Amino acid sequence: SAVISQKPSRDICQRGTSLTIQCQVDSQVTMMFWYRQQPGQSLTLIATANQGSEATYESGFVIDKFPISRPNLTFSTLTVSNMSPEDSSIYLCSVGGTSGTETQYFGPGTRLLVL
Amino acid sequence: AQKVTQAQTEISVVEKEDVTLDCVYETRDTTYYLFWYKQPPSGELVFLIRRNSFDEQNEISGRYSWNFQKSTSSFNFTITASQVVDSAVYFCALSEAEDSNYQLIWGAGTKLIIKP
Repeated sequence: SAVISQKPSRDICQRGTSLTIQCQVDSQVTMMFWYRQQPGQSLTLIATANQGSEATYESGFVIDKFPISRPNLTFSTLTVSNMSPEDSSIYLCSVGGTSGTETQYFGPGTRLLVL
Repeated sequence: AQKVTQAQTEISVVEKEDVTLDCVYETRDTTYYLFWYKQPPSGELVFLIRRNSFDEQNEISGRYSWNFQKSTSSFNFTITASQVVDSAVYFCALSEAEDSNYQLIWGAGTKLIIKP
């Protein structure tokens, strides 16, 4: 399985600011996913990021709030913009194969607290 | 519509007891995949197992075993002789071969507490 790293591992931010989370994979992958996990909750998919195309956002998530970049097959970023306390969550990136039915492997997550 | 139900919100057992985590799923697809992930307090999601809909054989990996029954749409996870290190939140998930969005459908998770 791929080795995935995320930066930062955690952060405390002030409301109204933005934070960019990086996701780095040790091998080339077609599909990368960004999830949000609010405290005590399950995972919610924010968007799917394929290299060379615009990210596909799930219902309830918009590009202005969560812009995503995918410049190559090993790297992606998620920005949480104009943050509010409701954005306090764990943000996880995952990688999958060419088929969505393949196993997704997850990074260690970024714990975000917005004050 | 597709759905994954983990009815047990939290389970607490004493170390060395056996424990079973339940997972019930709903899907219209004939081809689908079921997963279990472990999320320890550190927050990282650890992949445990993937099962496709055509393979109903039970799986055993050390102290872990999985029972897949299509007749009851269940994919239960048993830990034998539990250990404190098994304490975590466990998620069951489903993906469907015909879902062009490639989305994993997640259960709510079961928090497992193993007391020493």
